[in-house]
Amino acid sequence: KNEVEQSPQNLTAQEGEFITINCSYSVGISALHWLQQHPGGGIVSLFMLSSGKKKHGRLIATINIQEKHSSLHITASHPRDSAVYICAVRSNFGNEKLTFGTGTRLTIIP
Amino acid sequence: EAQVTQNPRYLITVTGKKLTVTCSQNMNHEYMSWYRQDPGLGLRQIYYSMNVEVTDKGDVPEGYKVSRKEKRNFPLILESPSPNQTSLYFCASKRSGAWNTGELFFGEGSRLTVL
Repeated sequence: KNEVEQSPQNLTAQEGEFITINCSYSVGISALHWLQQHPGGGIVSLFMLSSGKKKHGRLIATINIQEKHSSLHITASHPRDSAVYICAVRSNFGNEKLTFGTGTRLTIIP
Repeated sequence: EAQVTQNPRYLITVTGKKLTVTCSQNMNHEYMSWYRQDPGLGLRQIYYSMNVEVTDKGDVPEGYKVSRKEKRNFPLILESPSPNQTSLYFCASKRSGAWNTGELFFGEGSRLTVL
């Protein structure tokens, strides 16, 4: 079993739909990152969370430390949101080791 | 402009020919790291560095070396590349310490093919 599991692996939705991507992890962590990778390959950091909830524009990220689970939500989805979304967890052993999920490929249809 | 720069972006080489992929950041970040991305396996950490002269292994360090002699540079060295090191490589950096946002800044990626 991978230390970081994302679901779904692939998601296709209509423009305007509310999107949820899930990330579950099995190890103790100090923080969790959500990343976005566009078709061209570049990776952009969206959020870093250690507790609670963060919001940036139409994106919302939440984390439940007790349940070892995080969600990334996109409201009013748009075709430009089409990308691979990657969850990564940072070890709580005082180092900066990152373990990644395999990503969720999101396609928004106009 | 804040950026992480990797070179080369694309490289085709042959087994055993030593190569170096450079990574440079202009944000005075303490932390730098190398990752490889392979289909079905996602991103995996190769090495990371918490600061100058401080490096540590990630999940897949075999076949790679790194050095951190200056804060801005973190080169990835393949002493004797093999075909299983064909991959897309990313360098990233961020500020360290609890007071920062923890945002990771990624380079554009280096696609390496070893024949």
